[in-house]
Amino acid sequence: ILNVEQSPQSLHVQEGDSTNFTCSFPSSNFYALHWYRWETAKSPEALFVMTLNGDEKKKGRISATLNTKEGYSYLYIKGSQPEDSATYLCAHNGGSQGNLIFGKGTKLSVKP
Amino acid sequence: DAGITQSPRHKVTETGTPVTLRCHQTENHRYMYWYRQDPGHGLRLIHYSYGVKDTDKGEVSDGYSVSRSKTEDFLLTLESATSSQTSVYFCAISVVQDRYGYTFGSGTRLTVV
Repeated sequence: ILNVEQSPQSLHVQEGDSTNFTCSFPSSNFYALHWYRWETAKSPEALFVMTLNGDEKKKGRISATLNTKEGYSYLYIKGSQPEDSATYLCAHNGGSQGNLIFGKGTKLSVKP
Repeated sequence: DAGITQSPRHKVTETGTPVTLRCHQTENHRYMYWYRQDPGHGLRLIHYSYGVKDTDKGEVSDGYSVSRSKTEDFLLTLESATSSQTSVYFCAISVVQDRYGYTFGSGTRLTVV
């Protein structure tokens, strides 16, 4: 099992702050990198799936970048809002059948 | 979540009893997965299926079995439940791997006493 590491584990920011998280993964046998948003008492929801080195994806105030050569991805949130409070998971597909290995997540709390 | 349902939502069972959790989808997706989520761990894959009667083990498969006799149903069985299997279990589906991401069910909270 290849590890996926996320940092920081938790983050507390004020409304309006911009923030970013890191996901690191083994750079060998790369197929895809997923980001999910997981609100308390709900299910994880897919944000992005990235497959190519240098990929950048954006959805509203949230964006993500991918570096497969060095094995990391960044998730950025611009102008954080209280509704952005959630745990953000990244997951790496590095093998057959597309089985995702999930990181433990970064828990974001945005104070009004 | 629309298109994927898990049952039951909550269950309390005794050590040593068999338990079956059900995942049902209406999306006709090929791939289905069972994960467990525990404090201090990320989502960990138990078993997955890539078609009817095609299943394989994930990283934490000991003590679990699965069956998929129809596209829409993926069953997870704890053959003899233990306290270490107390967890929240999530089912997920995907249509084309690595393009759209997974869709997760609402989870089943299982407590083994």
